[in-house]
Amino acid sequence: QKEVEQDPGPLSVPEGAIVSLNCTYSNSAFQYFMWYRQYSRKGPELLMYTYSSGNKEDGRFTAQVDKSSKYISLFIRDSQPSDSATYLCAMTPDRGSTLGRLYFGRGTQLTVWP
Amino acid sequence: DAGVTQSPTHLIKTRGQQVTLRCSPKSGHDTVSWYQQALGQGPQFIFQYYEEEERQRGNFPDRFSGHQFPNYSSELNVNALLLGDSALYLCASSSDFQGYGYTFGSGTRLTVV
Repeated sequence: QKEVEQDPGPLSVPEGAIVSLNCTYSNSAFQYFMWYRQYSRKGPELLMYTYSSGNKEDGRFTAQVDKSSKYISLFIRDSQPSDSATYLCAMTPDRGSTLGRLYFGRGTQLTVWP
Repeated sequence: DAGVTQSPTHLIKTRGQQVTLRCSPKSGHDTVSWYQQALGQGPQFIFQYYEEEERQRGNFPDRFSGHQFPNYSSELNVNALLLGDSALYLCASSSDFQGYGYTFGSGTRLTVV
């Protein structure tokens, strides 16, 4: 069993739709949770991070963490064609400001069509 | 402000050869991590360097080695290349004192034939 599971999709939605992306994990030591966006032929770009359980909102993006279920989500409201990319969840058990190893899901490929 | 710079962008090598990939971290960052991303997969952690020493290592064989220089730049070396080493190699930099989150480079696409 992989430590982080993510449905690879692909996911195809019309412009303006609400997109829901999810990951599950098995290691209860994970404390920090991140979502990265990766465009084709580019490196991952950090979208959002959260610590422990709860919600965090940033513009059209909302990240949710449910540690009791070992489940994290990213919601994209009013999706745009420019949101078309691969979305990677990542997590780490490291606390404080020291960044160690990140554990990634395999990514979900999202296409938003006009 | 330059981000993370990786070179070369693309590389084709033959099985059994050796390869060196290079990374310059974002200005102000002192920690460099290397990840391998196979096609259709998420990045897999290779190792992390801080203060010129390997601080953490993932589940990669000893064929994978690295180095960090006093200016914080880093190299990833892979010996005895296998076809399965074909992947996108990503460098990520960070700093314990500049907030949270890695900055990734665009990667080096390595093809082993």
